[in-house]
Amino acid sequence: GEKVEQHQSTLSVREGDSAVINCTYTDTASSYFPWYKQEAGKSLHFVIDIRSNVDRKQSQRLTVLLDKKAKRFSLHITATQPEDSAIYFCAASMDSNYQLIWGSGTKLIIKP
Amino acid sequence: EAAVTQSPRNKVAVTGGKVTLSCNQTNNHNNMYWYRQDTGHGLRLIHYSYGAGSTEKGDIPDGYKASRPSQENFSLILELATPSQTSVYFCASGDSSGNTLYFGEGSRLIVV
Repeated sequence: GEKVEQHQSTLSVREGDSAVINCTYTDTASSYFPWYKQEAGKSLHFVIDIRSNVDRKQSQRLTVLLDKKAKRFSLHITATQPEDSAIYFCAASMDSNYQLIWGSGTKLIIKP
Repeated sequence: EAAVTQSPRNKVAVTGGKVTLSCNQTNNHNNMYWYRQDTGHGLRLIHYSYGAGSTEKGDIPDGYKASRPSQENFSLILELATPSQTSVYFCASGDSSGNTLYFGEGSRLIVV
């Protein structure tokens, strides 16, 4: 079955710099890739997603890139701010109607 | 604003005891999910439901039962709790299109 991997358990960047969080997946049939954010001690909430019919999607300071050949997708955060500090989870599914398979999370630390 | 509430938020249970985690959503979403979150594993799906009266097994259903008596409520039941079930449990709801999931605040369970 599908496996989603986040190889960076922790990522530390200086405030104002960009951060890139990477995920890989195994199932070529996967077509829906959302990202969720979990702030310390809180629940998860949706931040952005991308579908396989495009290779790039931007929402304000967030951009998701999808490389279907490499089976890799990434979350890019520009001009990082302290409130970006959180654990970011990627996920994948064959379709938005199918169950999500989750990565293990990347803790993003924004240093002053 | 979507609302998913879980209770209890914190629970200490004894090995062999019965634990019920409750989830209520006011989003009128058909789909509801129970996940557990453990360090290094991300989110793992335990049970899910497509509507009142329906429950489906997720990826790790052993040792857990689920109940969906109404559109709004979805419970996770541990009939005989074990220390390996110590974890943080998240309930989520989503509409039938399967897009954004809305998560509850989480229930921290410790089994001693």
